[in-house]
Amino acid sequence: DTGVSQDPRHKITKRGQNVTFRCDPISEHNRLYWYRQTLGQGPEFLTYFQNEAQLEKSRLLSDRFSAERPKGSFSTLEIQRTEQGDSAMYLCASSETTSGRAASTDTQYFGPGTRLTVL
Amino acid sequence: AQSVTQLDSHVSVSEGTPVLLRCNYSSSYSPSLFWYVQHPNKGLQLLLKYTSAATLVKGINGFEAEFKKSETSFHLTKPSAHMSDAAEYFCVVSDKGPNSGYSTLTFGKGTMLLVSP
Repeated sequence: DTGVSQDPRHKITKRGQNVTFRCDPISEHNRLYWYRQTLGQGPEFLTYFQNEAQLEKSRLLSDRFSAERPKGSFSTLEIQRTEQGDSAMYLCASSETTSGRAASTDTQYFGPGTRLTVL
Repeated sequence: AQSVTQLDSHVSVSEGTPVLLRCNYSSSYSPSLFWYVQHPNKGLQLLLKYTSAATLVKGINGFEAEFKKSETSFHLTKPSAHMSDAAEYFCVVSDKGPNSGYSTLTFGKGTMLLVSP
């Protein structure tokens, strides 16, 4: 078990450019989550996958954001036409469901994050 | 709707003295509650979680938290602080949601714990 990994760890881009981040969850974890953390704040939920299905999206996820998990394993988060307000740490987490147990009890394991700076 | 309030943005203690990080929550359903720690340049690490079993929950590194439904609180404590405990701590609530099929985590704004020698 190597934990949740994210790539890249840091990304600096110019306003208006597109960026894509990758998340590799813990193997066999069927749930995957994206969060955004800005300075001085706790992480905020963006979106959630169960296997390859995207089941929930936060209102924070504008039309410029898109996430995929095509084979139910790794996931990508793309931001188009980046804005300075997109500068943040983007966190990925994964969890494993257990039959008969409420989803709210799942433990989410977090990756180290991708820090995005938009100039 | 669910929410979390961490009552202190910063807490300063001396090494060897007790730690108390305060958290109040609001939840429409039966919540699960978590404490995560974030060290600089490292990922969030789970300290402990409450999921409707014992109200006093023991976690890693000597931390524990008590779920008090009447006070809607889930304060984090440790009897004796260590220098390595200096980090940011997040109280987190997870609701089962209206259909119980999934839930999302709602984080507090965090409490920075400073430990002096």
